[in-house]
Amino acid sequence: AQSVTQPDIHITVSEGASLELRCNYSYGATPYLFWYVQSPGQGLQLLLKYFSGDTLVQGIKGFEAEFKRSQSSFNLRKPSVHWSDAAEYFCAVGLNNAGNMLTFGGGTRLMVKP
Amino acid sequence: KAGVTQTPRYLIKTRGQQVTLSCSPISGHRSVSWYQQTPGQGLQFLFEYFSETQRNKGNFPGRFSGRQFSNSRSEMNVSTLELGDSALYLCASSLTGLALDTQYFGPGTRLTVL
Repeated sequence: AQSVTQPDIHITVSEGASLELRCNYSYGATPYLFWYVQSPGQGLQLLLKYFSGDTLVQGIKGFEAEFKRSQSSFNLRKPSVHWSDAAEYFCAVGLNNAGNMLTFGGGTRLMVKP
Repeated sequence: KAGVTQTPRYLIKTRGQQVTLSCSPISGHRSVSWYQQTPGQGLQFLFEYFSETQRNKGNFPGRFSGRQFSNSRSEMNVSTLELGDSALYLCASSLTGLALDTQYFGPGTRLTVL
């Protein structure tokens, strides 16, 4: 069955430390891949997306993600976390033949220690 | 440019009632999608409308319905409310409705069913 997995439900990092959030997908073909962030009481904001080409994608707010076909992964990274990055992060996939329907992972809640 | 707006932001209903939620997309966007977000099930796709036509539908019972108007505004309706319908309902708009297109999310309507 097609699925998106975010193995880490909660992650806590210290401000200034690096961050990596994991995302794995299970689809027959390479899907379109997205990372969204949701702050408390807010909707979702797109951080970055991958369709094809360069496997390292740059996004907003200093985030980047790397697509690894062999591992079916699309992990999100940031070299130095700021307190304002505390939020919930969602990995999502879309398929070319499914309009813009997105399937989301369960999310990872990031907490930032001062 | 104004973002996606959703009204109302909060709703309290009782079991058995029905409810209508509204979504106004970004000006010029023709695709509107709806998602349900709950702590237990996460983010789940409800349906997508493009140019007043439903293009995709998620795995929800027929009590969940929607429509889109000629100005791209969309409404979703839930009839015979159940306790499990308590959720944050998010709508998203995009220009073309293609998988590659960025979707912009509204802040959501939080529905509480008592």
